[in-house]
This record gives sequence, C-alpha cells and structure tokens, in this order.
Amino acid sequence: ELKVEQNPLFLSMQEGKNYTIYCNYSTTSDRLYWYRQDPGKSLESLFVLLSNGAVKQEGRLMASLDTKARLSTLHITAAVHDLSATYFCAVMTGTASKLTFGTGTRLQVTL
Amino acid sequence: SAVISQKPSRDICQRGTSLTIQCQVDSQVTMMFWYRQQPGQSLTLIATANQGSEATYESGFVIDKFPISRPNLTFSTLTVSNMSPEDSSIYLCSGGWGPGQPQHFGDGTRLSIL
Repeated sequence: ELKVEQNPLFLSMQEGKNYTIYCNYSTTSDRLYWYRQDPGKSLESLFVLLSNGAVKQEGRLMASLDTKARLSTLHITAAVHDLSATYFCAVMTGTASKLTFGTGTRLQVTL
Repeated sequence: SAVISQKPSRDICQRGTSLTIQCQVDSQVTMMFWYRQQPGQSLTLIATANQGSEATYESGFVIDKFPISRPNLTFSTLTVSNMSPEDSSIYLCSGGWGPGQPQHFGDGTRLSIL
C-alpha cells in the first residue's frame, strides 16, 4: 500500500522567513502534484512534477522532485501571510491516474 | 482550467437516510473521482467513476454504501446510503485529463448526519 507522508504537519513561521515542506512516498512514481487548500475551500493545483529532477517555481513557492529518493520538497521563500493554508502533495500511480494524498501541512504565517 | 460544480454544497441529514451528490464538469473529462475528507484530515479516494460502467472502488469502500453513476463524460453522482454519524465528512469530486495534467476539484459537499 502506497504511503505518502509530509512533514511537518504544522508549521508556524514569521513573515520573511524561508522554510521547506517535505513529502516522502513509499513506492516508485515520477508523477507528483502539489495542492493548496484554504479553510473551507476546495483544492487549488500548484505544481505538476513529472520527472526526476523536475523543478517548478511560482512566486515564493518552488517545488522539486527526486524520484530516486522518493522525495518532493516545497520551498517557501520570504513567506507572506497570504501563503497561510494547508498544502498537500499527491502521488499518482498506475494507469488509472489515481492520486494518493499526503497527510497535509498546515502553514501559518504570522505577521 | 475546468470548472467543476457540486450540488448540494452542504446538507444536514437524518441517520438512516441517503443523499445523492451531483458533480458537473464544464468540459469532457477523461476520468472522474470521488474523495472523502474528514475535518482536518487529508483526502481519501473512494472510487473512480467509470463512464458507462461500474465504478472502481478503493479498499474499505463498497458499492452498496457509495453507489456511483457516470452516464457521460461530464457528469457523475455519488450516493451516500443509510447514513450514520461516521459519514459526516466533506465529499469532493475531481476531474482528470491524464498524468500530465493536475486533477481539478469541485468545491465539495459538507455532509452532517444527526
């Protein structure tokens, strides 16, 4: 059974600081997705990573994928309050395009 | 990106009753999925809705409890049957266009069972 774990589960950080969220998964896959969820809202797609070494950046967020280590990272640069949300990674396996979601990381950026 | 609409957005139901949730996509989609998200938790896949055939259920979910229909490439329904308080959750549908594209999600249906 595929397991997808994120750490930390909760992150409180000050504006302007940098931090990294880690996503580890237990089986071979080269298709990984990052989503953002605001309280009471649905999921917003952030990044699609489809190969080993893939790196994507959007604003203050950068995601990378290391398929050999079965690890993806989401790096936050100079955090701002608007980034406060829950972030999920999700791994796609098999031909059915099913997603297995990570445990989620709740990010709180304080002023 | 695609717009995925779910109805109802929320409901409060009595124990033992059933509720059908509708999911409409504004364009044809290759795959549709149904997830459950309990408060403060991650998403768990319930099943893949297959167009014109029976849904494919994940371990721990059965057709009698969660019957799913997908009559065409843009619409699907999930029924939560014989509800109990343990079924209180958010139910989300998603549309997928293949591994190169992210799945897009509806706004979810918040279900409370009394």
